Amino acid sequence: GDSVTQMEGPVTLSEEAFLTINCTYTATGYPSLFWYVQYPGEGLQLLLKATKADDKGSNKGFEATYRKETTSFHLEKGSVQVSDSAVYFCALSPDLGAQKLVFGQGTRLTINP
Amino acid sequence: ETGVTQTPRHLVMGMTNKKSLKCEQHLGHNAMYWYKQSAKKPLELMFVYSLEERVENNSVPSRFSPECPNSSHLFLHLHTLQPEDSALYLCASSQERGVNTEAFFGQGTRLTVV
Repeated sequence: GDSVTQMEGPVTLSEEAFLTINCTYTATGYPSLFWYVQYPGEGLQLLLKATKADDKGSNKGFEATYRKETTSFHLEKGSVQVSDSAVYFCALSPDLGAQKLVFGQGTRLTINP
Repeated sequence: ETGVTQTPRHLVMGMTNKKSLKCEQHLGHNAMYWYKQSAKKPLELMFVYSLEERVENNSVPSRFSPECPNSSHLFLHLHTLQPEDSALYLCASSQERGVNTEAFFGQGTRLTVV
């Protein structure tokens, strides 16, 4: 079945550091790929998405590129802030709807001032 | 109110109690979902309702009983739960089919079974 594997956390960085959170997937066909973020005490929010190979999703300074050849969708940000501290989830779906969303285990990110 | 709202935010219940979780969405979506988020485990899809009909039940124990009376409301009825059922229960909604079918999540109900 479809699956998502994320870089294990927790990840701790200093403010203004470069961030990469790795995500690889296994799926049949051509899934859509997502990054969700969960701030403390909150539900999940869609951070960015990409629906086909070579698409780049971006939002709030975060970027991720859909790499079909390496089945990856790594999340990057050039300069993190304390407010980026959260849990980040990589996910895939055979279509854009949520009913078949498959999530990775989540990566907890802490940014120190 | 906008978005997806879940109540209560926190719930502590004994193993013999009966309680219900409520989810309400104001986005005009036609699909709603229950997810379970346990510590150190990926989110687990529990139930899917599309157009108010249950379309998927991922082998969830019968002590969890969903109800979707209309496209805006979703309930999860709980009875005789076990301590291992303690988790964050997340509700989500989306517009099934179409261009913008992004899922929106509520803030969750933190359930503790004692």
